[in-house]
Amino acid sequence: KAGVTQTPRYLIKTRGQQVTLSCSPISGHRSVSWYQQTPGQGLQFLFEYFSETQRNKGNFPGRFSGRQFSNSRSEMNVSTLELGDSALYLCASRKEVGQPQHFGDGTRLSIL
Amino acid sequence: AQRVTQPEKLLSVFKGAPVELKCNYSYSGSPELFWYVQYSRQRLQLLLRHISRESIKGFTADLNKGETSFHLKKPFAQEEDSAMYYCALMKGGGADGLTFGKGTHLIIQP
Repeated sequence: KAGVTQTPRYLIKTRGQQVTLSCSPISGHRSVSWYQQTPGQGLQFLFEYFSETQRNKGNFPGRFSGRQFSNSRSEMNVSTLELGDSALYLCASRKEVGQPQHFGDGTRLSIL
Repeated sequence: AQRVTQPEKLLSVFKGAPVELKCNYSYSGSPELFWYVQYSRQRLQLLLRHISRESIKGFTADLNKGETSFHLKKPFAQEEDSAMYYCALMKGGGADGLTFGKGTHLIIQP
């Protein structure tokens, strides 16, 4: 069974631009969550989508948004990029509520 | 709000010695606790969840609600245990994201 797949693996952007990251969950998993990992703050929950609906949201500004498609694939968008958005963005999927999450390799975003 | 604390950023032990990675949490409800591990150049992967009460790769972890702890233990460390270990909490019901600790880098010396 293929694991969680995130694309692209690396991205370089400049301040003010926007970016879209993609995540394909494990087959059969309907939930996709996004996390931001930085050296200072560690791993922080961004949001979770289940059956195309945002179910939960962490404490991040509105510049961070996401969506989920009918095939459970998810995208995360960050607008008006700031230097502090430089991070590893991890996607995780799970079958149902209460099940453990399985993580992808992440997309490393660098803001110049 | 819930919180997970891993007091040791780095823990170095010799091969064959016992290992204990500490994890304390604060949450007013009944949480579900996990340990995730990240080996060098690999993705974050689930090691243990408290409701399973099983031993994986020789590691065990017991949820102590009185002390609000979920320490990870292994009686005899092996070199392949060297990795980054993260303790994580999910609020009761599971309909929420994971709250992670900052992680402990475990180094097993030969």
